[in-house]
Amino acid sequence: KNQVEQSPQSLIILEGKNCTLQCNYTVSPFSNLRWYKQDTGRGPVSLTIMTFSENTKSNGRYTATLDADTKQSSLHITASQLSDSASYICVVSEGDKLIFGTGTRLQVFP
Amino acid sequence: GAVVSQHPSRVICKSGTSVKIECRSLDFQATTMFWYRQFPKQSLMLMATSNEGSKATYEQGVEKDKFLINHASLTLSTLTVTSAHPEDSSFYICSASELGKARVTDTQYFGPGTRLTVL
Repeated sequence: KNQVEQSPQSLIILEGKNCTLQCNYTVSPFSNLRWYKQDTGRGPVSLTIMTFSENTKSNGRYTATLDADTKQSSLHITASQLSDSASYICVVSEGDKLIFGTGTRLQVFP
Repeated sequence: GAVVSQHPSRVICKSGTSVKIECRSLDFQATTMFWYRQFPKQSLMLMATSNEGSKATYEQGVEKDKFLINHASLTLSTLTVTSAHPEDSSFYICSASELGKARVTDTQYFGPGTRLTVL
């Protein structure tokens, strides 16, 4: 069983709409949780990094939240753009290793 | 910002040949570099961790004699897929951790990936 589960697997929204992606993890203890954006055929690009003591972190239109008690995180995208179409990966660090979620594939249509 | 490059970005080779992929940290020194493999619609899977000047540490199930890793300098690591077969076709991504950071996972910058297709 994957230690980092993401939902939904895929999501289609219209341009300008908001959306929220979910991440549940069982990794414990962990040092930080991060969200990455991965365009097709490209490497992941970091969006946010949060330590276990942080509840929220924003990066432009991206806002990540973390509830360390329930081991849940979310990534909220505001006013989506066509360029937001990508896979979004939740990654939890366990010691010196990164544990990757399976990702959410987001498609934004005009 | 920290930039990691990979070369080549795409390679097609015949079965049985060897392929070398380079990973470079362009504007920082990296004591640790990681190699990942990603199959279509799947998550990144760590293959090995390489530290400059020492042998790489391979994850369970990854053949060290098939995936040769060399981390000869603080800015360059190479992955050589030896005697490649069609099942080795995948997207290979490297990442690098910046020298001097407290924990290697605190800063990990990913390369753009290399698409390997073995015919």
